[in-house]
Amino acid sequence: EMQLLESGGGLGQPGGSLRLSCAASGFTFSNFLMSWVRQAPGKGLEWVAGITASGAVTNYADFVKGRFVVSRDNSKNTLYLQMNNLRTDDTATFYCARGQFSLSYSPFDLWGPGTLVTVSS
Amino acid sequence: LLTQSPDLQSVSPKQKVTITCRASLSIGNSVHWYQQKPDQSPKLLINYESESISGVPSRFSGSGGGSGRDFSLTIDGLEPEDAATYYCHQSSSLPITFGQGTRLE
Repeated sequence: EMQLLESGGGLGQPGGSLRLSCAASGFTFSNFLMSWVRQAPGKGLEWVAGITASGAVTNYADFVKGRFVVSRDNSKNTLYLQMNNLRTDDTATFYCARGQFSLSYSPFDLWGPGTLVTVSS
Repeated sequence: LLTQSPDLQSVSPKQKVTITCRASLSIGNSVHWYQQKPDQSPKLLINYESESISGVPSRFSGSGGGSGRDFSLTIDGLEPEDAATYYCHQSSSLPITFGQGTRLE
């Protein structure tokens, strides 16, 4: 069964850091572009960042540029999101999502259950 | 920017409902639709404007107006389990964006 499972969420301090992980199983992880999508409590979906299948190209939403870094380890079938300089408005459930292609953005056809990040002092 | 309408709609079983999504610029057919139920992750319903997804009931269908800016999701014959929030999503250009969501209750 194809699966994505996020971890690493929890309570973070304003200005602090957290690292999220997304473990993939049941498919060839290295063939797919991956993204992080977040959802603030009671709000809609927001794309955060994406990374091509090889890891060569990364893209970010403006509101996280310079603060978050997306990476992947294809040998471990794992996607990461390093979140630095956290702000209270980063509080959200973070989902990892699989695209359909390796290089270009496409529908997200597989999602993890999400991990909740709460930023508060 | 993707703008959905309505934001909220009260519906009844067996009803036919249409949700629209308007893009601020032409995005071709690179619009996709998701269903999200409370405390669940989104589920892909329709991709590339009108392509159906395996396992998704046939009462869900997507269409576009040909302009590359106006798109619709139609649910023909609502079932009680269709109560959810629906999002459109464009993958044509960065940044990737979603509509604000339409809640069916």
